[in-house]
Amino acid sequence: QSALTQPASVSGSPGQSITISCTGTSSDVGGYNYVSWYQQHPGKAPKLLIFDVGNRPSGVPGRFSGSKSGNTASLTISGLQAEDEANYYCTSFTSSSPYVFGTGTKVTVL
Amino acid sequence: QVQLQESGPGLVKPSQTLSLTCTVSGGSISSGNYYWSWIRQPAGNGLEWIGRFYTRGSTEYNPSLKSRVTISVDTSSNQLSLKLNSVTAADSAVYYCARAPRGGSDPFDFWGQGTLVTVSS
Repeated sequence: QSALTQPASVSGSPGQSITISCTGTSSDVGGYNYVSWYQQHPGKAPKLLIFDVGNRPSGVPGRFSGSKSGNTASLTISGLQAEDEANYYCTSFTSSSPYVFGTGTKVTVL
Repeated sequence: QVQLQESGPGLVKPSQTLSLTCTVSGGSISSGNYYWSWIRQPAGNGLEWIGRFYTRGSTEYNPSLKSRVTISVDTSSNQLSLKLNSVTAADSAVYYCARAPRGGSDPFDFWGQGTLVTVSS
């Protein structure tokens, strides 16, 4: 099972919106609405941001949103803040395994 | 609030078996509808799911690691364990344990802090 493809880096200025893509196949992202997103600051454990494509756990700010079209899922951060500078990972259910992670995206706040 | 804490040797020799324990507090590892997973992250790289134990007693493994991995639970100690045999330098990573409520994405809602394991002679 190959890792889902994410851009290596995305950047934006405070207050702007950015979108991180997560591209898979019809055997994972495209075949199920079971995509989650995690935020990881350096040296810390990942934190759940989005599950089931577009649902936020309680406590996650509303500026984080998720969506999916075909084989590509997306995480949008609206009103970018300095504390959003971190690495972001998607994961999806697959036909052969409960999880495959994305390659990860480093978000830089300019 | 559930807390998870990984522990085990930080250094393992090549070809030997890596053994880690995840101690769960604030809840029983054998109750509820949860999956308990091991996930690893090589230095500077992305996350890789290793496998999971379901509270109803079943296990599932990453197909790429299945031949070398065993995940089990000690309910008396409320601990999840990981054994990975025939390790090489490629198995050097931070190893995390995490809980996932069963349903939909089975998302990981609680994570341990991670423990670094280096494979070296």
